[in-house]
Amino acid sequence: DAGVIQSPRHEVTEMGQEVTLRCKPISGHDYLFWYRQTMMRGLELLIYFNNNVPIDDSGMPEDRFSAKMPNASFSTLKIQPSEPRDSAVYFCASSFTSGGTDTQYFGPGTRLTVL
Amino acid sequence: AQSVTQLGSHVSVSEGALVLLRCNYSSSVPPYLFWYVQYPNQGLQLLLKYTSAATLVKGINGFEAEFKKSETSFHLTKPSAHMSDAAEYFCAVSSHTGGFKTIFGAGTRLFVKA
Repeated sequence: DAGVIQSPRHEVTEMGQEVTLRCKPISGHDYLFWYRQTMMRGLELLIYFNNNVPIDDSGMPEDRFSAKMPNASFSTLKIQPSEPRDSAVYFCASSFTSGGTDTQYFGPGTRLTVL
Repeated sequence: AQSVTQLGSHVSVSEGALVLLRCNYSSSVPPYLFWYVQYPNQGLQLLLKYTSAATLVKGINGFEAEFKKSETSFHLTKPSAHMSDAAEYFCAVSSHTGGFKTIFGAGTRLFVKA
C-alpha cells in the first residue's frame, strides 16, 4: 500500500483566501484523523471520522475550519478564510477498527503558510 | 481526562550511549500507550505500543519501553544510540473510554553527538 497520501505537500496563500487540504487514507482503514502541528501548541487533534462520519470535531479551532469525508478513500480539510495564525503542518492519519487505541498511520503532512 | 507529560523537550546523547526519554501519563482507566517517532519533514510513525499485555514492550530500531503502573510512567529506552536515531519522539495515550482520542505529548527532540 502507498500509505496515507496528502496533497499538496506545501501551500502558500494569502490571508483571506480559501485553502483546501486533501487526504487519501490507507485502503480498508475505517478511522481518519486530522491533526495540526505547530511549535507553540504541538500536535493537536482537530477532528476524526469513523466510517466517513465525523465523531468528534471539538478540536476544530473555529467556524473557519471544516472537514468532510464524502467516501472511504477521501477527506478534505478546508479553511475559509485563512489567517496567518493558521500557518502550521497539517497531518492526516488513518487506522483500522480500534481508532485511537490502535496504530495510527500518518501521512507526510501539508505545510501551510498564510501570508 | 487523559494527559501525557514528556520530561525534557531536548535530550542530547553521544553515539553509543544509553537513550532514555521520559513519559508520564494520567488516565482514570487502563490506558493504551504509544511512542511515535518523527523524522524531519515526515509524518509520525509508530515505534511501539502498550495494550495491556506484557509490560515491557519492544519496538522497532532497538527501542523498548516499560509500562509501570505504580509510577504512571512509560519511559522509552535504547541501549546504544545511533546517529540515525536523531528525531523527535512523541509519547501518546488513549483509551476506549476516551472516545478513541489519542492525546500526544509535547515531544522530545533527541540529538545524537558523534
